[in-house]
Amino acid sequence: ETVMTQSPATLSVSPGERATLSCRASQSVSSNLAWYQQKPGQAPRLLIYGASTRATGIPARFSASGSATEFTLTISSLQSEDFAVYYCQQYNNWPVTFGQGTRLEIK
Amino acid sequence: EVQLLESGGGLVQPGGSLRLSCAASGFTFSNYAMSWVRQAPGKGLEWISIISRDGRTPYYADSVRGRFTISRDNSKNTLFLQLNTLSAEDTAIYFCAKGNLVEIPNTRNFDYWGQGTLVTVSS
Repeated sequence: ETVMTQSPATLSVSPGERATLSCRASQSVSSNLAWYQQKPGQAPRLLIYGASTRATGIPARFSASGSATEFTLTISSLQSEDFAVYYCQQYNNWPVTFGQGTRLEIK
Repeated sequence: EVQLLESGGGLVQPGGSLRLSCAASGFTFSNYAMSWVRQAPGKGLEWISIISRDGRTPYYADSVRGRFTISRDNSKNTLFLQLNTLSAEDTAIYFCAKGNLVEIPNTRNFDYWGQGTLVTVSS
């Protein structure tokens, strides 16, 4: 199983600042990596797939990069609605696996 | 508008069974692979099963293989998950999720999710 490790577990950032979230895979997942945002009591929302392609309707302040085992999600200027839990997911290897999540909180 | 509406969750005793349903609308259901993902209370996301668009090819996580069965009825735009031999470790919100694109591997990331149905396994 491909283990996805996200860091940090919790990130405290002020509104308007930049946030950088990391995700590492235990083996190569090529570019088959997605990022999701989840707010309390809600279903996850797809932000990024293919490691760097924004999903439909996702604002340009969300960007992502990486390949193989190292990936990054960047939110360029945090808005109040961006404070949530973020998960990475690999879908290159079976089974599909998610990271444990990074909680992005207001500083 | 794409909508996914899960139902069938509830309280069940250890060793019991449940059948979850996910009614889909707003897209051509038969064109997309569909998955189930669960989330234990206060925990992260766990993918558990996927089924191909024609219903012929299911895959399962090791944690549920042999106990859960995924199926679909394309004539009724509905996805199912049969849960057998349940244990406390199966307590979670169960989400159905639509494959993002029709081409592999982007069938395995998920652009629409239902709101989930809670399964509680307890005596």
